Amino acid sequence: DAGVIQSPRHEVTEMGQEVTLRCKPISGHNSLFWYRQTMMRGLELLIYFNNNVPIDDSGMPEDRFSAKMPNASFSTLKIQPSEPRDSAVYFCASSLRTRPNTGELFFGEGSRLTVL
Amino acid sequence: GNSVTQMEGPVTLSEEAFLTINCTYTATGYPSLFWYVQYPGEGLQLLLKATKADDKGSNKGFEATYRKETTSFHLEKGSVQVSDSAVYFCALSLISNFGNEKLTFGTGTRLTIIP
Repeated sequence: DAGVIQSPRHEVTEMGQEVTLRCKPISGHNSLFWYRQTMMRGLELLIYFNNNVPIDDSGMPEDRFSAKMPNASFSTLKIQPSEPRDSAVYFCASSLRTRPNTGELFFGEGSRLTVL
Repeated sequence: GNSVTQMEGPVTLSEEAFLTINCTYTATGYPSLFWYVQYPGEGLQLLLKATKADDKGSNKGFEATYRKETTSFHLEKGSVQVSDSAVYFCALSLISNFGNEKLTFGTGTRLTIIP
């Protein structure tokens, strides 16, 4: 079975440009998460969706960040305009929530973003 | 709030050494506890978990016991291998203020095993 698929794997862009990261969750999963990983702050939850609906976006750093999930098989994280401090690895993860506290997230391989 | 504190790395051990990575937590409630592992260039993957006090999670020779009295979930392995070199994350799961489950991760501990 295919796991969580993210694209692009690597993105290098210049400050001020728009960046769009994409995620395809595992088929049948009903929760999707976007995380950001940096050396300084570790792994931070940005936003998560349940049944395509954004539930908690309290981790989104500022208005430059937005995330959408138009259907169960696709999500995007957009940064506009991008800044050098946005450089990080962005992970998408999905899970199947059938009962509370299962805790098992399935992560993609990440999108490494470098903003010059 | 909820938080996870784990041993700072990096940790470097020789092959076949005994491994302990400490993890303690603070939670308003009764969390489930997890260890995730991240191999170079990959995403995180679940290593083991425990959902109630005194439960022991185990996988691939790794073990961790949910200790409610000390709010700890230390990761151990009796004899490490070079292939265990990775970053290890301790995490807890609770129902969030939004009524949904939320995972909180520690900062990660980088483990390097030398032959």
